[in-house]
Amino acid sequence: KAGVTQTPRYLIKTRGQQVTLSCSPISGHRSVSWYQQTPGQGLQFLFEYFSETQRNKGNFPGRFSGRQFSNSRSEMNVSTLELGDSALYLCASSLKSGNTEAFFGQGTRLTVV
Amino acid sequence: QKEVEQDPGPLSVPEGAIVSLNCTYSNSAFQYFMWYRQYSRKGPELLMYTYSSGNKEDGRFTAQVDKSSKYISLFIRDSQPSDSATYLCAMSEGGSNYKLTFGKGTLLTVNP
Repeated sequence: KAGVTQTPRYLIKTRGQQVTLSCSPISGHRSVSWYQQTPGQGLQFLFEYFSETQRNKGNFPGRFSGRQFSNSRSEMNVSTLELGDSALYLCASSLKSGNTEAFFGQGTRLTVV
Repeated sequence: QKEVEQDPGPLSVPEGAIVSLNCTYSNSAFQYFMWYRQYSRKGPELLMYTYSSGNKEDGRFTAQVDKSSKYISLFIRDSQPSDSATYLCAMSEGGSNYKLTFGKGTLLTVNP
């Protein structure tokens, strides 16, 4: 059974640009959550999508947004990139919304220069 | 005070040792407790998942939750060099607030 797939694995962007990251959950899983991991703050919750609706949101600015498609695949977008957005962005897949048993992908390493 | 505290280590042990990893937390609403293992440049891998207080064993791994003390532990028996990784504890209230709150992680090295 395939795991959570995130693309691309690595990205380098310039300040002020925007970026879109993609996540395909485990087959049959309908909930997708996004996390940011940095050395200073650790793993922090960004938001969760279920049935194409955002169900929960963390304390991040509005520059961070996402969406989910009917096949449960999700995308995360960051606009007007800042140096501090450099991080590992992780997607987690769960069977359903509210299910805390989450399985993570390999992440997308974003570097903002 | 952070919601979840975890000693960052690093922790270095010889092969075959018993390893004890711990987290404390302040939010008494946490009901679900997890341990993840993260290798360098990889995503976190779910190791143990428990609900409420008690013990859970899976092979060489044992997870303990003491809600009265707000303290959780992960024990690794007969540690192997392949166990060398960062171990992250995570917790959730469940219900409508099911986001995971993570500790900062403990870096473990098992020396052959």
